[in-house]
Amino acid sequence: KQEVTQIPAALSVPEGENLVLNCSFTDSAIYNLQWFRQDPGKGLTSLLLIQSSQREQTSGRLNASLDKSSGRSTLYIAASQPGDSATYLCAVNGPGANSKLTFGKGITLSVRP
Amino acid sequence: GAGVSQSPRYKVAKRGQDVALRCDPISGHVSLFWYQQALGQGPEFLTYFQNEAQLDKSGLPSDRFFAERPEGSVSTLKIQRTQQEDSAVYLCASSTQGAYTEAFFGQGTRLTVV
Repeated sequence: KQEVTQIPAALSVPEGENLVLNCSFTDSAIYNLQWFRQDPGKGLTSLLLIQSSQREQTSGRLNASLDKSSGRSTLYIAASQPGDSATYLCAVNGPGANSKLTFGKGITLSVRP
Repeated sequence: GAGVSQSPRYKVAKRGQDVALRCDPISGHVSLFWYQQALGQGPEFLTYFQNEAQLDKSGLPSDRFFAERPEGSVSTLKIQRTQQEDSAVYLCASSTQGAYTEAFFGQGTRLTVV
């Protein structure tokens, strides 16, 4: 059974800091990995999708990497801002062909002004 | 609409009451998923549809939970005889067909059973 772990559960950093959020998964037979953002009381916003054949994806100040063989992904946030404060969830698609996502518990990020 | 739409946004039910939660996916999206998110946890898979066919319902926690998508578009998740442990946010997601595609989520329905 696929398991996804995100450590630590919470993180507080001063504004402007570059930071790395980690995600690990137990079964490397995945189709893709997605990073999501969730604001309190809201749904999930997709940030980046990395296919199993890719090593990284970039969108603005965000960069996500994938090392499928070691079962790890990182989300890099450059020059953090208070507006980045949210919970960041990592989810993997696979193994199995029905495309369901297995999520970690998320990392709650607080960026202090 | 442009995104996945869920209704109602909030639902308070008395224990034992039946509830129905609605999901309107992105137009043209073949795949539709339901997830349950307890407080402080990541979403957990409930069930998956490809068009009108329910291909995986392995995540439904009991036979009180039932989902349908009769015309391959709008889906309804029904919970019968609600219990306090059913209190959670229910999220719906849709995607185009295939295992490599991106999932888009709705805002969710927060169910509170009192």
